[in-house]
Amino acid sequence: QIQLVQSGPELKKPGESVKISCKASGYTFTDYAMHWVKQAPGKGLKWMGWINTYTGKPTYADDFKGRFVFSLEASASTANLQISNLKNEDTATYFCAREDNRGVMDAWGQGASVTVSS
Amino acid sequence: DIVLTQSPALAVSLGQRATISCKTNQNVDYYGNSYMHWYQQKPGQQPKLLIYLASNLASGIPARFSGRGSGTDFTLTIDPVEADDTATYYCQQSRNLRTFGGGTKLELK
Repeated sequence: QIQLVQSGPELKKPGESVKISCKASGYTFTDYAMHWVKQAPGKGLKWMGWINTYTGKPTYADDFKGRFVFSLEASASTANLQISNLKNEDTATYFCAREDNRGVMDAWGQGASVTVSS
Repeated sequence: DIVLTQSPALAVSLGQRATISCKTNQNVDYYGNSYMHWYQQKPGQQPKLLIYLASNLASGIPARFSGRGSGTDFTLTIDPVEADDTATYYCQQSRNLRTFGGGTKLELK
């Protein structure tokens, strides 16, 4: 069955970096785009951007340009999100979601919690 | 950017109909499809796809859920509402980049 399994919770200090992974199984990794979505505590879903799993080209939403990097380990069917120079407002759960060619996010990871606190 | 607007909360009685609306500031139709999708999210869980391309039921979703609309006005209907349907519902467009609505929290009266 289709699964997206994300890495575990992280506790970081301001200024540090974090890398979140999203391992896909049950389908051909390069047939679907991978999107990233942020959910701050008690808030709604915010689209961060996506990565073309065939070419590796990332696209970032305006609010996520600069400190955020999407990458792939295609041989391991894994997408990664790295956040550098962490700030308190990066405290959130981050979801990966695969998207088909109709623009439909039909499978989601379980979410990875990042807490930034001094 | 395409902005999606949802009412923040809705309270309905068990067995009644719930109608959740989503309005966009730009048309999300393109070549005969409406690029609007609906997701359900329960506390502590990831979002789950309910409806795609405005009116298509996702796999495994009960027929109590339905979607309609086009252009800039869309609705998600749950009829009849069951206790397990208490959750937050999000609309999302994929016509131009991606954006989510603010979410509608469905509660029981």
